[in-house]
Amino acid sequence: AQTVTQSQPEMSVQEAETVTLSCTYDTSESDYYLFWYKQPPSRQMILVIRQEAYKQQNATENRFSVNFQKAAKSFSLKISDSQLGDAAMYFCACLSKTSYDKVIFGPGTSLSVIP
Amino acid sequence: KAGVTQTPRYLIKTRGQQVTLSCSPISGHRSVSWYQQTPGQGLQFLFEYFSETQRNKGNFPGRFSGRQFSNSRSEMNVSTLELGDSALYLCASSDGTGAYEQYFGPGTRLTVT
Repeated sequence: AQTVTQSQPEMSVQEAETVTLSCTYDTSESDYYLFWYKQPPSRQMILVIRQEAYKQQNATENRFSVNFQKAAKSFSLKISDSQLGDAAMYFCACLSKTSYDKVIFGPGTSLSVIP
Repeated sequence: KAGVTQTPRYLIKTRGQQVTLSCSPISGHRSVSWYQQTPGQGLQFLFEYFSETQRNKGNFPGRFSGRQFSNSRSEMNVSTLELGDSALYLCASSDGTGAYEQYFGPGTRLTVT
């Protein structure tokens, strides 16, 4: 069974500053994907970034980057130059490649951006 | 390409009734997954369909069922509704062949009174 934990229920960041959201996971699988999803007040889930477990290089997408520590089963998200539009719930998620599209989500972190 | 669409967007039902929710995936996507989102339990996986076959199932009672049609559209049915079934139901589609990138619809907000 897989579990995903996000220990920060709420975070805040000043506009233009950097913030890091934490995530730890547990899986017995050797081949899996990790994701960060964003859910703004509109409730539309949006994929922010994806990391394949067998790739050691950390994924980046513009202002978003991850710190993937496989041995520690840690997968944090760093948002640089925070913008007001970044305010949302952020969910960390894990998918085993043998589980087809069954994605396991963490409880989420609510991010506020202060102007 | 048009995104994932879900209908209806909002629904109010009474305990004991049944409800059917619909999801149309992105054109060309053959996998549709359903999730239940509640403040208490977060996002929980319900089931996944690929080419009209259920490939994976979460830990929900048999009152929750689904199906997928030949055009990849999917429906989810909940029978004998309970107050605890009030939730946002999200569906997501992917090509189902290993890209593992899911695209979510806007959700259906179900309220059971």
